[in-house]
Amino acid sequence: GNSVTQMEGPVTLSEEAFLTINCTYTATGYPSLFWYVQYPGEGLQLLLKATKADDKGSNKGFEATYRKETTSFHLEKGSVQVSDSAVYFCALGDTGANSKLTFGKGITLSVRP
Amino acid sequence: DAGITQSPRYKITETGRQVTLMCHQTWSHSYMFWYRQDLGHGLRLIYYSAAADITDKGEVPDGYVVSRSKTENFPLTLESATRSQTSVYFCASSPPGLAGGPEVWYSNEQFFGPGTRLTVL
Repeated sequence: GNSVTQMEGPVTLSEEAFLTINCTYTATGYPSLFWYVQYPGEGLQLLLKATKADDKGSNKGFEATYRKETTSFHLEKGSVQVSDSAVYFCALGDTGANSKLTFGKGITLSVRP
Repeated sequence: DAGITQSPRYKITETGRQVTLMCHQTWSHSYMFWYRQDLGHGLRLIYYSAAADITDKGEVPDGYVVSRSKTENFPLTLESATRSQTSVYFCASSPPGLAGGPEVWYSNEQFFGPGTRLTVL
């Protein structure tokens, strides 16, 4: 079945540091890939998505490229801000019309001034 | 207001009591989902629904019951609450995915509610 593996956390960075959060997946076919973000006390919201190999999703300075050959969808940002402190989830879409998503366990990012 | 709402936002109950968590969405999305979020486990799918009167089990359905008589509502009931059901519960909704070719599916994003923090004493 489908699965998503995220790097272990938490991660603590200084403001303006470079961020990479690793995500690899196992799936059949060509699923859609997502990154969601959860700010303290809130629900999850979509950060970016990619629907086919070599697609790059981007939003708010974050980027992730759908790598079919390495089954990866790593999240990157060149210069993090304190406001980026949140929990980040990588997710994999099901191969079917049901829009089910398989989520990784999430990683907590803390950015200090 | 447009969007997806959950009620109550916070609930404290006792072991053995029945509790119902409400979820309401205004987009007429066909799919709706219930998750629980626990430290160390991330998000786990409890139940989902493809349309009114169509529901299916997720990863952790035991101890939970759902119904969906109307497209916009998807209540989750804990028939006899246990301490292990202390968690944060999220409801989400989504349009169906789209076929893009052989083995290719374009999943739509899920829209999440703000969550219900449930404590079972």
